[in-house]
Amino acid sequence: AQKITQTQPGMFVQEKEAVTLDCTYDTSDQSYGLFWYKQPSSGEMIFLIYQGSYDEQNATEGRYSLNFQKARKSANLVISASQLGDSAMYFCAMIVNTGNQFYFGTGTSLTVIP
Amino acid sequence: GAGVSQTPSNKVTEKGKYVELRCDPISGHTALYWYRQSLGQGPEFLIYFQGTGAADDSGLPNDRFFAVRPEGSVSTLKIQRTERGDSAVYLCASSFKGAGEQYFGPGTRLTVT
Repeated sequence: AQKITQTQPGMFVQEKEAVTLDCTYDTSDQSYGLFWYKQPSSGEMIFLIYQGSYDEQNATEGRYSLNFQKARKSANLVISASQLGDSAMYFCAMIVNTGNQFYFGTGTSLTVIP
Repeated sequence: GAGVSQTPSNKVTEKGKYVELRCDPISGHTALYWYRQSLGQGPEFLIYFQGTGAADDSGLPNDRFFAVRPEGSVSTLKIQRTERGDSAVYLCASSFKGAGEQYFGPGTRLTVT
């Protein structure tokens, strides 16, 4: 069975500082993809970053980077230079090569403090 | 270009009534997904379409839930005999051929009174 765990229900970060949101996953599949989505209060899920299980380099997209540690089965999201607009829910998700659905964690609520 | 759209944005219905929720995916995306998100939770998978056919409906909670995608584009999620426990945000997503990231719509907030 596939599972995503996000252990931080809420996080606070000072504007312009960096923050790490934790995500661990569990799967017996060797081929899988890991995603991070942002969900502002408007409700729409916004894709941030993707990491494939066979990717050797950590993924980066602008201020977002994914700290992928395969042996530990972790895929933490790092947001650098936090902005007030980063305040939102953040979800880690996984899709396995043998399946079609995303498995989501319970999310982390990030608040950026001015 | 246009993203995934969902209508209505909000739906309030009485227990026992029938509801239909509509999803219009990104043009050219053959894969379409429905998820349900309860308060304080991450989205939970309901059903996946590849083209017109439901390739995976393992997430549908019971036979009161049904979804169609007759022409391989717009999809409708249908809920019969609604119960208060069906209250949630229903999210639709699409992707190109079922690979890579899924693009989500704004969701329909369903409230069953």
